[in-house]
Amino acid sequence: DVKVTQSSRYLVKRTGEKVFLECVQDMDHENMFWYRQDPGLGLRLIYFSYDVKMKEKGDIPEGYSVSREKKERFSLILESASTNQTSMYLCASSPGRGNSPLHFGNGTRLTVT
Amino acid sequence: AQSVTQLGSHVSVSEGALVLLRCNYSSSVPPYLFWYVQYPNQGLQLLLKYTTGATLVKGINGFEAEFKKSETSFHLTKPSAHMSDAAEYFCAVSDRNTGNQFYFGTGTSLTVIP
Repeated sequence: DVKVTQSSRYLVKRTGEKVFLECVQDMDHENMFWYRQDPGLGLRLIYFSYDVKMKEKGDIPEGYSVSREKKERFSLILESASTNQTSMYLCASSPGRGNSPLHFGNGTRLTVT
Repeated sequence: AQSVTQLGSHVSVSEGALVLLRCNYSSSVPPYLFWYVQYPNQGLQLLLKYTTGATLVKGINGFEAEFKKSETSFHLTKPSAHMSDAAEYFCAVSDRNTGNQFYFGTGTSLTVIP
């Protein structure tokens, strides 16, 4: 079974802090994704990566950056956390073929105070 | 970009009743289609997918979905609801041409009444 592991289940940070959310997958998947989930809005794509050191902006990249130095790890960075970034963050991976589903981590619930 | 519409953000059914969750997509070229389930404080888990072939697909936990090209729909059903089916359900599509991006509906929260 594919395992996607997010380093934290719950995080509380202060406004202005730099925040790192880490995600690791163990199935040698090409593609990795970061989504945020908010009530009534579903999942919105922040960034995705289809190869090491490659990244593409999703629908809501503002205020975020990403890093993919190794194939198995995809990090989401909040340069200066703000209260409107309080949300559930979901990492996912896929083999890179569109008919293969996404595999999700358990999510990180981030609260910015 | 694709768009995915899930009609009804909240659906309530009695235990033992039919579950029907609706999903429509916007593309003129049928995409790959997926249903996911999310239990509280967890990530999304794949229920089933349609990529090609038979239009009625069966998934885990007794769920199934039927792809109808003429209606651009992929509705999720289960003949008899269990209490354990209470969760959030998401429909998603992936473009056949690019394959790298997935588009999600806004989700349907299913409540099962004992």
